[in-house]
Amino acid sequence: GQQVMQIPQYQHVQEGEDFTTYCNSSTTLSNIQWYKQRPGGHPVFLIQLVKSGEVKKQKRLTFQFGEAKKNSSLHITATQTTDVGTYFCAGYSNTGNQFYFGTGTSLTVIP
Amino acid sequence: DGGITQSPKYLFRKEGQNVTLSCEQNLNHDAMYWYRQDPGQGLRLIYYSQIVNDFQKGDIAEGYSVSREKKESFPLTVTSAQKNPTAFYLCASKIGTGGEKLFFGSGTQLSVL
Repeated sequence: GQQVMQIPQYQHVQEGEDFTTYCNSSTTLSNIQWYKQRPGGHPVFLIQLVKSGEVKKQKRLTFQFGEAKKNSSLHITATQTTDVGTYFCAGYSNTGNQFYFGTGTSLTVIP
Repeated sequence: DGGITQSPKYLFRKEGQNVTLSCEQNLNHDAMYWYRQDPGQGLRLIYYSQIVNDFQKGDIAEGYSVSREKKESFPLTVTSAQKNPTAFYLCASKIGTGGEKLFFGSGTQLSVL
C-alpha cells in the first residue's frame, strides 16, 4: 500500500540552529500538506503544496515539493523555542480520497 | 465559534466494554475522518466519511465502528473487539471531497482500566 516515510523521527537543536525534516512517498502525490502538533495538542495545518517543484515560505519556514511530487521537505531557519512540536507531512492521493501521514518529526529546541 | 468538538477529553474503558467518542463540527464540512495516534507514531486512519449515510474503512478499522446520520456528527465506537484501544483519537473534517486541508478536533485520550 501507499506509504509516506518521514525522517528524522526526533531532532534536538540548540536555539538558533536550523532544522529540516524530509518526507518521501512510495507513489506520486496530488498534493502534500504540513501540520504542526504542539505537545499535548492537536495537528494544525501549516501549508499545502500542489505543483511540481513548488517552494513556499512562511517567515522562517521553507517548504518544498519535489519535481516528481513524491518527496517534500520543511526547513526552519534559526529555530526558536516556539517551534517545539511534532511536524507531520500528509500526502494526498486522489485515488481513494485519503491522506497518508508521515510518522512525524519531533523537534526539541534547547534554549 | 466554528470548529470541531470532540468529547470527552479523557475516557476510560473497562474490559469487554464498548465506548463511543463524540465528534461534532459546525463548519458545514462534507468529509470527516477518525485517526488514531500512538506515542511516537504518525496518524493512522480508522474510518472516513465523505457524505451522510456513507463511510469507508481506513487502514485500521478492525474493532471500531462509525455512523454518519447527520452531516455535523461522526461518532466512533471502540468495541470490545479492539484489544489494544489505548491511544489518542483525533477527529478531523474538511470542506470538500478533494485534497483540501484538514481541521482537527482537540482529541480524546482513551485508556483501559
